[in-house]
Amino acid sequence: AQSVAQPEDQVNVAEGNPLTVKCTYSVSGNPYLFWYVQYPNRGLQFLLKYITGDNLVKGSYGFEAEFNKSQTSFHLKKPSALVSDSALYFCAVRDPLSGGYNKLIFGAGTRLAVHP
Amino acid sequence: GAGVSQSPSNKVTEKGKDVELRCDPISGHTALYWYRQSLGQGLEFLIYFQGNSAPDKSGLPSDRFSAERTGGSVSTLTIQRTQQEDSAVYLCASSLEWGGLETQYFGPGTRLLVL
Repeated sequence: AQSVAQPEDQVNVAEGNPLTVKCTYSVSGNPYLFWYVQYPNRGLQFLLKYITGDNLVKGSYGFEAEFNKSQTSFHLKKPSALVSDSALYFCAVRDPLSGGYNKLIFGAGTRLAVHP
Repeated sequence: GAGVSQSPSNKVTEKGKDVELRCDPISGHTALYWYRQSLGQGLEFLIYFQGNSAPDKSGLPSDRFSAERTGGSVSTLTIQRTQQEDSAVYLCASSLEWGGLETQYFGPGTRLLVL
């Protein structure tokens, strides 16, 4: 069965430092991978996605993610964190070969805290 | 509109009552999804609509949950005889088409509290 794992409940980073939020997946076939961010009392906002092509995907707000097929990972990164990046981040996968391939399977979420 | 809208923003109800949650997708989006976000359960898929096709109801947790989409646009999620475990944030999303390539855009959610 397809699944997404976000191994860290929380990531703490100092403002200006690089940040990484980890995501690994397990799907049959080629995965479609997404990152969303959720600010307090808000819905999910799309950050970026990987469908095919370059393994390094650039998205909104200076975020990027690297697709690594051999490690089945899709870690979210940003070179220099801002306090305003503090939020809940969700990794998600859509498996195009599964029967319900229009569903997004979400990870449990990682809370990012950026300290001044 | 500019984005997906949902109403109400918050809903408090008593156990056993029925509730209706509304979603207005982005204009022109043919696919519409409902998800539930609850503590300890994360985000889970509930139901999916695409055009006039039969919806994918495989994520609905019980027969107390139902949803409809009228005129290919607005959708209503109905929970009958609410239980305390139904308390969660219900999120709606829409996308241009189905097929796995299109990004789903989410509304702000309806926060449901069942007392």
